[in-house]
Order: sequence, then C-alpha cells, then structure tokens
Amino acid sequence: GAGVSQSPSNKVTEKGKDVELRCDPISGHTALYWYRQSLGQGLEFLIYFQGNSAPDKSGLPSDRFSAERTGGSVSTLTIQRTQQEDSAVYLCASSSLLGEQFFGPGTRLTVL
Amino acid sequence: KQEVTQIPAALSVPEGENLVLNCSFTDSAIYNLQWFRQDPGKGLTSLLLIQSSQREQTSGRLNASLDKSSGRSTLYIAASQPGDSATYLCAVESNQAGTALIFGKGTTLSVSS
Repeated sequence: GAGVSQSPSNKVTEKGKDVELRCDPISGHTALYWYRQSLGQGLEFLIYFQGNSAPDKSGLPSDRFSAERTGGSVSTLTIQRTQQEDSAVYLCASSSLLGEQFFGPGTRLTVL
Repeated sequence: KQEVTQIPAALSVPEGENLVLNCSFTDSAIYNLQWFRQDPGKGLTSLLLIQSSQREQTSGRLNASLDKSSGRSTLYIAASQPGDSATYLCAVESNQAGTALIFGKGTTLSVSS
C-alpha cells in the first residue's frame, strides 16, 4: 500500500494477557518507529529501528514491552502481562533517509 | 533534555480568519522540525517538514517558519476553514537524521462557520 498500515485498529484485552501489534511501513523506508499516545499525554517515543542496526529501545517503559522487525520491513510490538496503564493508542511511523516521518492510523489498546 | 511546548493549547476562531500556532523547543541543536495534523481518533498527517538549514516551508494555505537559534517555530494558517479543525502537533528531531521525534502536546483548533 501507499502508506503505513497497522493492525488491529482496536484491541481490547484483559489485564495480564499478552498482546501483539503489527506495523507495515512504507515500502523502501529504512527507519521504523513506535510511539504511544495516552489520554491527556503527549506522544512518547518507544522504540526505533534503522536498517540492520541494533534498535534504540530507550523509550520502552518497562521490560514487558518488546519489538522486533523482521526482514527490515514489518514490525511487531509485544506487550506482555498487560496493565491498565498500558491503555493507549500505539502509533507506528516510517521514514526514508530524508527524515520526514509518516504515521499509520494507530492501534487503540484498551486493557480491562 | 529536549522539551517542546505549544501555545495555545486550544484556539477557537471564526471561518476566514488568519491564525498562528506557536511551538518552542529548549535545545536548538535540531535536525528538523515537523508539523502534523491529527483528527479525532485518527493517526497523524504530516503537514510540513523544515530542515534545520531552512527558515520556512509553504504548502497551500499553510506556512511554517523556523528560528532555530531562538528555539521557535510558527504555523500560519491563512483564511481558515471549518475543515481545518483538528489538533496540530509540532515535533523536533534531534541533531542527527533518523532519531525519534519529540512532540509538543498540540494545539486544538476549532474553526466555526
């Protein structure tokens, strides 16, 4: 497709369950980013992948969060043992070497 | 640590007005600055990207300026329309390409007809 896609668009889970969120970046973009937008909070950076380099995980809030990017394309963000404070919109973005970031529509996660 | 502030947090104007949204950042060592639009329940749409060496960028009725030394950017919207109603976010990328964006909390704009 022409833009960044994310799935699912909405996810409702119970506290303590694991969830996986998927991101398909724009074809040819070497960089992929995950951000989180919580109610009343700004957008916060979670993790960043650039080519084959080791990811920048400095924004991950706890060790329950992890992400991988397979084949330099699709990325999966995994949250283990979800907590209610994990409820947020998770946004994925990709960029080329020029730096302009393009965002997907997001996954709205609700932890009951 | 880079911090981005947007003022005002909310703005209501009648249709047809020209308006300015403000963004300030604490560390002037930026690579670029990006303005986004976010509609309720939607993702972010990139509006304008200004590289650190540039002073402004224009797209249609939008003009964004950058004064890196003073840590400020403005987004000027000419002849506002109800369809411009959205939250506008400013974000900066630190002084190398391909790093995470640091976002402001946005200005929510409402344009009444």
